[in-house]
Amino acid sequence: SQQGEEDPQALSIQEGENATMNCSYKTSINNLQWYRQNSGRGLVHLILIRSNEREKHSGRLRVTLDTSKKSSSLLITASRAADTASYFCATDAVISSGTYKYIFGTGTRLKVLA
Amino acid sequence: KAGVTQTPRYLIKTRGQQVTLSCSPISGHRSVSWYQQTPGQGLQFLFEYFSETQRNKGNFPGRFSGRQFSNSRSEMNVSTLELGDSALYLCASSAGQGVHEQYFGPGTRLTVT
Repeated sequence: SQQGEEDPQALSIQEGENATMNCSYKTSINNLQWYRQNSGRGLVHLILIRSNEREKHSGRLRVTLDTSKKSSSLLITASRAADTASYFCATDAVISSGTYKYIFGTGTRLKVLA
Repeated sequence: KAGVTQTPRYLIKTRGQQVTLSCSPISGHRSVSWYQQTPGQGLQFLFEYFSETQRNKGNFPGRFSGRQFSNSRSEMNVSTLELGDSALYLCASSAGQGVHEQYFGPGTRLTVT
């Protein structure tokens, strides 16, 4: 089963509105990342938040992390049509000392209507 | 710097055949990971290579294999293709182990008929 699960699975908003998507995971992590994927293409790294951080900003993106609840949220403010994409969270799972495996969530499909 | 490149971009194969996919990481990146993406299972980790060595592997059958060359380019091979292997195969590179930001290629869309 997926380590990360995004919620909601799909989200449709009007341009200019804010979009919030959530990610829950199951095991302890060192960091959590958010990626964007446009229409079945490669993923683009958006932001990384470490387990000892609670909030991080990058442009119109705001990510929060609550390790006690094993959850993270991604907020996109003032959304644009170009933000239409699928968004995935990815968590690291330690395989052995110094090696990691990244587990991706199920994704949230965001549609921003012009 | 040029991004991660994957070849071919699209591929159609018949059940039972084998296929090799190629990935060229960003110059200077030494770690290459492979993922399979399907509508039903989402993004699943296949394996990671670093300095020509497979560092870890996901839960895929032995029909899935890979290798990495001294120039960090990587290939993935799938033997005895099954219909369920139809997927988008994504390659990602990173600067090295302990550097978590991955840069993804555009993917190879494999269709097995």
